[in-house]
Amino acid sequence: NAGVTQTPKFRVLKTGQSMTLLCAQDMNHEYMYWYRQDPGMGLRLIHYSVGEGTTAKGEVPDGYNVSRLKKQNFLLGLESAAPSQTSVYFCASNRRQGHQPQHFGDGTRLSIL
Amino acid sequence: AQKITQTQPGMFVQEKEAVTLDCTYDTSDQSYGLFWYKQPSSGEMIFLIYQGSYDEQNATEGRYSLNFQKARKSANLVISASQLGDSAMYFCAMREAAGVMNTGFQKLVFGTGTRLLVSP
Repeated sequence: NAGVTQTPKFRVLKTGQSMTLLCAQDMNHEYMYWYRQDPGMGLRLIHYSVGEGTTAKGEVPDGYNVSRLKKQNFLLGLESAAPSQTSVYFCASNRRQGHQPQHFGDGTRLSIL
Repeated sequence: AQKITQTQPGMFVQEKEAVTLDCTYDTSDQSYGLFWYKQPSSGEMIFLIYQGSYDEQNATEGRYSLNFQKARKSANLVISASQLGDSAMYFCAMREAAGVMNTGFQKLVFGTGTRLLVSP
């Protein structure tokens, strides 16, 4: 039972570098989300997707792009990393029906120097 | 805009005692949902309990219960018989987007969390 899997778990980047965080879920969930967690600020929504091929902006989308080419995968991209993007990133997903809770991955700790 | 407030940055409780973690919310929507998540030191987010705004009874899940006071806009988490493994960060979150409550889609707004420490 893999659930929601995030790769990589840790990464250190230099300012200006690019990278992609991968989120994969094996629960056939329709909805997927990317959050960032910073000290003292809780989780904030970056982007989300309500289905394959669709994405939308969340609360803090600047500096990030996303894609959902396959239902099970949701990619978060940083085109030109900045120190302000140092954070822990969480992916989550949930089913369409009713009040289903979001299932979270274990997070990716990203440091940008 | 919807907002979640958790005023207790840290709480201490002795093993086997009950503890209440506070959560107040602000929304103009009539239909909304409230969630509690646990984040242990290992970092993962674990769903604990859910309360819908139209639910007549307070939600319960094992040792977790939710003291929902709609008029006061509060949704406090009660943990009974605390265990050492309950030591963690606890987040209250509210589901945004009235009008899509039955579709499963959730834009969650999180509070800043409460760190609970359970001592032997």
